[in-house]
Formats: sequence, C-alpha cells, structure tokens
Amino acid sequence: NAGVIQTPRHKVTGKGQEATLWCEPISGHSAVFWYRQTIVQGLEFLTYFRNQAPIDDSGMPKERFSAQMPNQSHSTLKIQSTQPQDSAVYLCASSLGLGGEQYFGPGTRLTVL
Amino acid sequence: GQQVQQSPASLVLQEGENAELQCNFSSTATRLQWFYQRPGGSLVSLLSNPSGTKHTGRLTSTTVTKERRGSLHISSSQITDSGTYLCAMERDSGGSNAKLTFGKGTKLSVKS
Repeated sequence: NAGVIQTPRHKVTGKGQEATLWCEPISGHSAVFWYRQTIVQGLEFLTYFRNQAPIDDSGMPKERFSAQMPNQSHSTLKIQSTQPQDSAVYLCASSLGLGGEQYFGPGTRLTVL
Repeated sequence: GQQVQQSPASLVLQEGENAELQCNFSSTATRLQWFYQRPGGSLVSLLSNPSGTKHTGRLTSTTVTKERRGSLHISSSQITDSGTYLCAMERDSGGSNAKLTFGKGTKLSVKS
C-alpha cells in the first residue's frame, strides 16, 4: 500500500499562471478530500468527493479554484491565475468511506512568486 | 469563532514525562481524529475515535462528544515524540459534512 500519492511535491509558479495538482487516493478508498495548510490559517478544508461525485466544495475560493475526480484513481485541483496568497501546502486525503479515518498524502508545496 | 480549540499551544517535557493534550470543540461531533506532524512533514494519523477511550502503544485518546471535548495522553515521552499534534473534528460521518475541521495544534518539545 503506497498511501496517498501527490504530485508534484513542489511547484513554483509566477503570478497569473495556472497550477494543477494531482492526487492518487489509496486503492479502494471511495472518499477523497482536499485541504490546504498555511502558517497563518492552519489546516483548512477545500472540497471532497465520494465515489467520484462532488459532495461539498464550501471551502473552495469560487473564482479561480476547481477540483475534479474523473476516475476512482485520481483527483485534480486546478488553480487559475495564481496569486501570492495561494501559496500553501495543498493536502489530499482519502478514506474508505464517509466517516472513516482519513489518510493524508505528503502534500504539494505551491509557491506563487 | 474557532470551532476546534487545542491546549496548551506548546508544551516542553523532560524525557519520560507524560503529556496530556486537550481538544475542545464548539459544535456536535461524530468523531475526533488525532494527527502528528513534524516541521515540513506529512500528517500522520495517530488515532480516530468516535467516543470513549482508544489506545495504541503509548497513546491514549479519549473522546466525550456530549461534553464537546477530547484528549490525547502520551505516556513516557521520548525525544522523537517532539512535533505538532493536531486534533480534527468530524461533524457528520455519513452525510454531507464528513470534512475535518482542525485545531491549531499543540507543539510538543521533549528534552533529554
């Protein structure tokens, strides 16, 4: 079991560019969650899917953030027109089902210059 | 206001001492999950506990959902236990609120 896989581990973009982050959940897990972590705000929820369907995106900044789960083996988080305040560690987690223990990936550290 | 509050914010122990970390939450919860994180490191799940007491190794998690509180006890602390301990609350397991809400963490330093 490789755990939750996230790529890339580090990404540096210029202001205004697009960033796409990838997550591969643990095989057999039906729920996938996205969070982000900053020193100031701590860990914040963004969005989650169950059986590939979006369930709750209440934490997503509406304008430039979008997330998809095209198949059961990967999810993507896309940030358009990145801004310096988007700099954070973006974390993906998966669980066997809703209400189950969540297992986190190593995160993608996004730096927007 | 902050939904999950952890105390203390930081704690310094001598190796071998026990630690008691507290987690209080402002709304009903169906589960607490405790995590460990080193600076720049991944979130490692320690214990997931809907209610009552759960043990693993030197860790004991106690969750009292009716009183909106939980705790993590670390016995016989070791230098390698140093890091940040995060408490996360889940409000609704099976419905549309399975996301975790995190506290700001307790930073533990264990010295020899």
